[in-house]
Amino acid sequence: GAGVSQSPSNKVTEKGKDVELRCDPISGHTALYWYRQSLGQGLEFLIYFQGNSAPDKSGLPSDRFSAERTGGSVSTLTIQRTQQEDSAVYLCASSLEGGGSSSFGSGTRLTVV
Amino acid sequence: AQSVTQLGSHVSVSEGALVLLRCNYSSSVPPYLFWYVQYPNQGLQLLLKYTTGATLVKGINGFEAEFKKSETSFHLTKPSAHMSDAAEYFCAVSDKAAGNKLTFGGGTRVLVKP
Repeated sequence: GAGVSQSPSNKVTEKGKDVELRCDPISGHTALYWYRQSLGQGLEFLIYFQGNSAPDKSGLPSDRFSAERTGGSVSTLTIQRTQQEDSAVYLCASSLEGGGSSSFGSGTRLTVV
Repeated sequence: AQSVTQLGSHVSVSEGALVLLRCNYSSSVPPYLFWYVQYPNQGLQLLLKYTTGATLVKGINGFEAEFKKSETSFHLTKPSAHMSDAAEYFCAVSDKAAGNKLTFGGGTRVLVKP
């Protein structure tokens, strides 16, 4: 079946611009996660959605980062006023509620120039 | 808070030799433990996981890991390395109370020599 899908796969943006990254989770997975992978920081948790509960935003690095999940399915991660330190691979993952393991997308490589 | 330490950021093994990747964790609650593999320019693929029950866990591609509570370890092994095992490997911990969000180790890059 279809896995977690992320778009775009690559994004180059100018410093100060806003970007939106999209994630389509596996159908039926109620939990959705965003992670960031960078050379300096490794793999970091950003935000977690579970059903209709309030999202866990504890990993967002600044108020320039936000995410939403519409209709319990597709999620968009938005970064406003991008900075060079935002350059990283942004990974989305989804899982069944209480499943204990996540399926990952291939990521969006963001480069801020 | 949970944390994961992977000993060795790079490991080089000969084809056919034992692969051993070390992972130690800290968690205040019974952990769920995972190993993921990442091939170049790809996402993470689950190799195996421990939640409860048998402490020796078998995964895909001939890998296995053993949960040792007394040592807070979850080392990954494969008896005989194959060239296709060259990749980066990540150990991770989560707990259900934290929504199963993952805390990752720093990763170990495996090089397989012919």
